[in-house]
Amino acid sequence: EADIYQTPRYLVIGTGKKITLECSQTMGHDKMYWYQQDPGMELHLIHYSYGVNSTEKGDLSSESTVSRIRTEHFPLTLESARPSHTSQYLCASSEYVSANYGYTFGSGTRLTVV
Amino acid sequence: SQQGEEDPQALSIQEGENATMNCSYKTSINNLQWYRQNSGRGLVHLILIRSNEREKHSGRLRVTLDTSKKSSSLLITASRAADTASYFCATPRAQKLVFGQGTRLTINP
Repeated sequence: EADIYQTPRYLVIGTGKKITLECSQTMGHDKMYWYQQDPGMELHLIHYSYGVNSTEKGDLSSESTVSRIRTEHFPLTLESARPSHTSQYLCASSEYVSANYGYTFGSGTRLTVV
Repeated sequence: SQQGEEDPQALSIQEGENATMNCSYKTSINNLQWYRQNSGRGLVHLILIRSNEREKHSGRLRVTLDTSKKSSSLLITASRAADTASYFCATPRAQKLVFGQGTRLTINP
């Protein structure tokens, strides 16, 4: 079973609302990532972290923000949701800094902004 | 921007047949990874092949890597209905993985 947990699995929310997508892992991995994926499309890296108090923006510009106060927790926040934010958000972690090892993914949060 | 591109975008075969998916990439790599994604779920790591390897097996999966052609293939033998999923290749770039668009595989009973 997955050792990385995302909640909620599905979220439908109105425009302008503030939301936080939760991601937690129990593996003690230092490196964590957020990817955005539209249905049937490729994944785009929007945020990543090398460890506590480390956060970086990914390749795809995103209006979301992240924090990393604890190793196991990497939440993503949208201050004011818009319909353009409708997408699937996938959280992942890896044991090593280099990309020479596999990532572990959560089950994702499917966000719909109406 | 994409690093890897899968081909075909969609593949539909009968149960029991073999499925082959291809991935091409643009820059030099030290490894290439394949992942599976069931509908609406997260990705599951299947196999990693390093640049000094030409072929790797894991159960019914066979992965090849041709660094001269910057391409890789994933072969699933004796397909099953449970293999229905999207398959992505991923390559490292600046210590992060970049994923292609994926191949959507459908296994018909």
